Amino acid sequence: GENVEQHPSTLSVQEGDSAVIKCTYSDSASNYFPWYKQELGKGPQLIIDIRSNVGEKKDQRIAVTLNKTAKHFSLHITETQPEDSAVYFCAASGGGYQKVTFGTGTKLQVIP
Amino acid sequence: SAVISQKPSRDICQRGTSLTIQCQVDSQVTMMFWYRQQPGQSLTLIATANQGSEATYESGFVIDKFPISRPNLTFSTLTVSNMSPEDSSIYLCSVEGLRQGFSLEAFFGQGTRLTVV
Repeated sequence: GENVEQHPSTLSVQEGDSAVIKCTYSDSASNYFPWYKQELGKGPQLIIDIRSNVGEKKDQRIAVTLNKTAKHFSLHITETQPEDSAVYFCAASGGGYQKVTFGTGTKLQVIP
Repeated sequence: SAVISQKPSRDICQRGTSLTIQCQVDSQVTMMFWYRQQPGQSLTLIATANQGSEATYESGFVIDKFPISRPNLTFSTLTVSNMSPEDSSIYLCSVEGLRQGFSLEAFFGQGTRLTVV
């Protein structure tokens, strides 16, 4: 089955700096890669996703890149703000109604 | 999008007892998923629940321990049976719904925080 690894497990940045979280996956059949933000006491919420036919996607301060050949994808958050502090999960899936495999999570702390 | 309501939001239970968690969705969905998130850990899929058929369990999870019901297309329950402290986790219900009309996205409930004492 699919295996998703995520690094780093914790990340502290100064407000205004950029944060980068990296993930690798094992199943070459995976073609959908969502990123989730989980705030304390809440369920994960999708913040951005990318499909295998796209190499990069951006939404305001958040961007995701995908390298299918190397089987890795990354989340980039620019101009970080204290409200970006949360746990971020990457995930991989075959798309459609298929099982989503989650990475181990990154606890991001943005220091004001 | 899909709005998911989970009950209870949290509970403290005695070991050896069982707890049933309810998941209600505001729209009809084909598949519902139950995840476990142990403290400080990632999400692990327990099972996939389809309406009208037996749930499909992932490796390491069995129906006797985690029986699931799916009586209709908007509702499911997960029971954690004969609980032990190792079952203390957040249990999350998830569904797939259409985002912006064409893109499938996984939506999550707020979770049920279970503590077994």
